[in-house]
Amino acid sequence: NAGVTQTPKFRILKIGQSMTLQCTQDMNHNYMYWYRQDPGMGLKLIYYSVGAGITDKGEVPNGYNVSRSTTEDFPLRLELAAPSQTSVYFCASSQAEAFFGQGTRLTVV
Amino acid sequence: AQSVTQLGSHVSVSEGALVLLRCNYSSSVPPYLFWYVQYPNQGLQLLLKYTTGATLVKGINGFEAEFKKSETSFHLTKPSAHMSDAAEYFCAVSLYGGSQGNLIFGKGTKLSVKP
Repeated sequence: NAGVTQTPKFRILKIGQSMTLQCTQDMNHNYMYWYRQDPGMGLKLIYYSVGAGITDKGEVPNGYNVSRSTTEDFPLRLELAAPSQTSVYFCASSQAEAFFGQGTRLTVV
Repeated sequence: AQSVTQLGSHVSVSEGALVLLRCNYSSSVPPYLFWYVQYPNQGLQLLLKYTTGATLVKGINGFEAEFKKSETSFHLTKPSAHMSDAAEYFCAVSLYGGSQGNLIFGKGTKLSVKP
């Protein structure tokens, strides 16, 4: 079972560049989430979705955008990358229990 | 508003010793509580969860946690540490019980196990 798949695993961006972090789940979960993890800070919720076509902001949404056109996919968009967005990003999906992807390690230089 | 406090960013124990990782929470509604483990360069894996019912919750790998409402605590324990338990552990509370992925996380406790 694939579960939650994130791509890419690693990426280096220059300041001002844009990119999309991909997230796909094959468990037919309605709920999906994006978190960022910074050392010593735990995980912070960026955006979440309760179903296709519905998204909402989490705790730290500034600088990010999301869309949810299908149940399976929940991409996270960075439009103008900044050094403060250097982090590890985790996608998760849930029904009764949350399942996490392996993470995307992003460095903005 | 919900929040989670994990006491101790680093805990070191000897192999075979008791593991105790502390978690206190605040919540304006009956909480749904979780412990996750993260191994290096990996995602998070659910260890155990408390939703309703029995306050002593058993999880995977010999871990358990007890929900104490009067102390607003959900400490994680394991009677005998193993080298393979070395990882980072996160306590979390759910904002909405029915959607258990919308989580508020503590800052994490890194567990080291000495031979």
